[in-house]
Amino acid sequence: GQQLNQSPQSMFIQEGEDVSMNCTSSSIFNTWLWYKQDPGEGPVLLIALYKAGELTSNGRLTAQFGITRKDSFLNISASIPSDVGIYFCAGNTGNQFYFGTGTSLTVIP
Amino acid sequence: SQTIHQWPATLVQPVGSPLSLECTVEGTSNPNLYWYRQAAGRGLQLLFYSVGIGQISSEVPQNLSASRPQDRQFILSSKKLLLSDSGFYLCAGGVSYNEQFFGPGTRLTVL
Repeated sequence: GQQLNQSPQSMFIQEGEDVSMNCTSSSIFNTWLWYKQDPGEGPVLLIALYKAGELTSNGRLTAQFGITRKDSFLNISASIPSDVGIYFCAGNTGNQFYFGTGTSLTVIP
Repeated sequence: SQTIHQWPATLVQPVGSPLSLECTVEGTSNPNLYWYRQAAGRGLQLLFYSVGIGQISSEVPQNLSASRPQDRQFILSSKKLLLSDSGFYLCAGGVSYNEQFFGPGTRLTVL
């Protein structure tokens, strides 16, 4: 199946720093979703985006649906230790979702 | 809001044994349901999806099958497990094509 290009693959940052990650696709998507996954658990939905150009926040998280509908980014401001985990983007077309390969985030206290 | 339940949480099975993983959905009706496998290395591979009772679409030819005997129940099965079936299995669901919520996952180890 189709995979989205997600970058960076991994990030090591100091507590308090801001984080930015993005996903790109060769296809147009109707929806972009961002998830966080802790080890051994299922991904948890953080933000859902439904319209091109849409900018949505959830606490310290902000995500945008790219105007071309082929990309999305997720920003985390003032990172804290519990932000550690793997972040996935997902794009939807029809009844299927396609996932990025994940960004592993490590926050150093 | 909807909740996806999966069990068991972990499972160790010998090669050649059968498999049955169950997923149930709470809090919604007529959801779209999905089974994914996540190998080490993070990518999620879509195995099956279902838009209704008895309707199963398979994405990857393999040793596994899926069934949806009830609206909010989705089962992943195998008659004979292979070593390569080891992985983290995730059930997901959503009431529209614009959302998807995941269950806690089942860690399957085939020895």
